[in-house]
This record gives sequence, structure tokens and C-alpha cells, in this order.
Amino acid sequence: TQLLEQSPQFLSIQEGENLTVYCNSSSVFSSLQWYRQEPGEGPVLLVTVVTGGEVKKLKRLTFQFGDARKDSSLHITAAQPGDTGLYLCAGARGNMLTFGGGTRLMVKP
Amino acid sequence: NAGVTQTPKFQVLKTGQSMTLQCAQDMNHNSMYWYRQDPGMGLRLIYYSASEGTTDKGEVPNGYNVSRLNKREFSLRLESAAPSQTSVYFCASSADRTGREQYFGPGTRLTVT
Repeated sequence: TQLLEQSPQFLSIQEGENLTVYCNSSSVFSSLQWYRQEPGEGPVLLVTVVTGGEVKKLKRLTFQFGDARKDSSLHITAAQPGDTGLYLCAGARGNMLTFGGGTRLMVKP
Repeated sequence: NAGVTQTPKFQVLKTGQSMTLQCAQDMNHNSMYWYRQDPGMGLRLIYYSASEGTTDKGEVPNGYNVSRLNKREFSLRLESAAPSQTSVYFCASSADRTGREQYFGPGTRLTVT
């Protein structure tokens, strides 16, 4: 059983559509990060959220940390083919990160 | 800056063989990590080193050993490879001990037959 559950596992959409990816847990984290991974490469950090209720924006990507610091969401507006990849959330506790299973996103032109 | 580098990029082993995966970072980071990534499982922590001279077990340490050679380098050793260790291995580093904001290498794809 994964400590961090991501949904959906797979998402295939058309260019221009909006989408939301969820990361849920029953555990509290001191911070939560979102990474994006492309085939054959390592994950790349997108954002870190620390405070409950925090919202961060990165161009067309909006990240939110739940009030109780147990869950997070990633919203992409007007998705583009370049957004295609595996999106991973990771929660920090102590000096370790626990990763979710990932959401594989495909944006078709 | 190269960031985090890993060698080799690909490796095929026979069951029972041993090998060492090498990792180096040039960002002067204190903490380093080894993960494995299997389909549908995300990344699972094998071992980590919060600072030079210390190592600790992660979620899946069995069958692996690590060495923090110096601040830059952190190696992962498989003493007797098993097919269950077929995976993609990633090394990562972080500036502080909290483990957040990790920077990853490109990975080593290992197949054990």
C-alpha cells in the first residue's frame, strides 16, 4: 500500500484542455513536492509547497497544498503537448521523501 | 555544472553477479539518495546519506549496500544480483538534511537475467 496515492494513474487529453491531478495521503507531511519525469530521464523538481493551504503558480501550472498538509493537487490550464510526461508527488517526513505512484499524462496535438 | 551524474547508463547482469553503481554530484550538496523505480510503483528509497560519513536504510534496503566515499560520491553495490533487482536506479542529492528539493541523475537501467 502506497503512502501517497495519485489519481488518475493515466490521463490522455487533447491540446487546450484543462486537467487536475490529485495526490492524497492519510499522513501529514512537512512539505510536498511535485516532479515531472520524461522517458529515459530522472525526475525534475517543479515546485515545493510547505504551508497548509498554500497555492503556487508556475506559468500554466497551479499547485495547491491541502489545509491539513495531507494532500495536494496540480492543475494544468490549456495543456500543451510539451506537458506530456509522468507527474510525481513526493511528501517529506524527517529526512526522507516518499513518492506517489505517478500520473502519466499524454497531451495530443 | 553537470549536476548529478551516474554510471553506467545500462547494465545486464546474470543472477549472482555483483556490481557497483556510481553516483557523483558537483553541487556541494550534503545529502544523497538511491532509489529504484519499477512500473506503477513510483520511486522507492533504498538507502540515503544525510551527510558525509553517515548512511541509513530506506524503504527497500535488502540486497544492497552503499558507501558515501566523500561529499561528492555515493555508490550502490549489489553483492549477488537477483532478477527482482531488475529496475531503473536513480541517484539524487539535496542541499539539506530535510530531503526536500532533490536533484536526480539520469538513471541506470539494470537487467538481471
